[in-house]
Amino acid sequence: AQSVTQPDARVTVSEGASLQLRCKYSSSVTPYLFWYVQYPRQGLQLLLKYYSGDPVVQGVNGFEAEFSKSNSSFHLRKASVHWSDSAVYFCAVSGGSNAKLTFGKGTKLSVKS
Amino acid sequence: DTTVKQNPRYKLARVGKPVNLICSQTMNHDTMYWYQKKPNQAPKLLLFYYDKILNREADTFEKFQSSRPNNSFCSLYIGSAGLEYSAMYLCASSRGGRLDTQYFGPGTRLLVL
Repeated sequence: AQSVTQPDARVTVSEGASLQLRCKYSSSVTPYLFWYVQYPRQGLQLLLKYYSGDPVVQGVNGFEAEFSKSNSSFHLRKASVHWSDSAVYFCAVSGGSNAKLTFGKGTKLSVKS
Repeated sequence: DTTVKQNPRYKLARVGKPVNLICSQTMNHDTMYWYQKKPNQAPKLLLFYYDKILNREADTFEKFQSSRPNNSFCSLYIGSAGLEYSAMYLCASSRGGRLDTQYFGPGTRLLVL
């Protein structure tokens, strides 16, 4: 069984500020971890994914995430946000014998100028 | 082209009537997925096709049907819509491996009255 918790339903930051979106996961096997973003009126798009190796993984548009096995976390970060980063961000985990994704409820990011 | 298309984008249905949603992709992906997304909830996997094999989630087994007449198309069928079916329905496709990216369509918003 696997699950994902995104504890923050909404986050508001100022343009140019740093960002961290939290994600905690639970998986009975070594997890595959993903962050997806959904911009208004668009489908979910992959930001980054992780399975093994360097615990800090780089994604598109300056995003990165850090895997922590001890904390069961996969937090998303960005050094300086832009207004265009306003969107809903979903953390997801895949485990077991197939590629089924289990998503968190998402965090809605609002960037104020 | 990494586009997944969904038709229609909006669907209004009456309680007790059937609903058929369509998804297409031209990436020659082996696997196609259907998710249900309700406000403030995580996207929930309903079923997926790996090639011609349909896999339905246990808790939605009897509520949704699907067909995949060829590699590019996949439908989601509701035999008798209830109010609880009102949601966004997301289609995705991937090559099927555990770390493979799932590409999502923009979704079909279904409202059952």
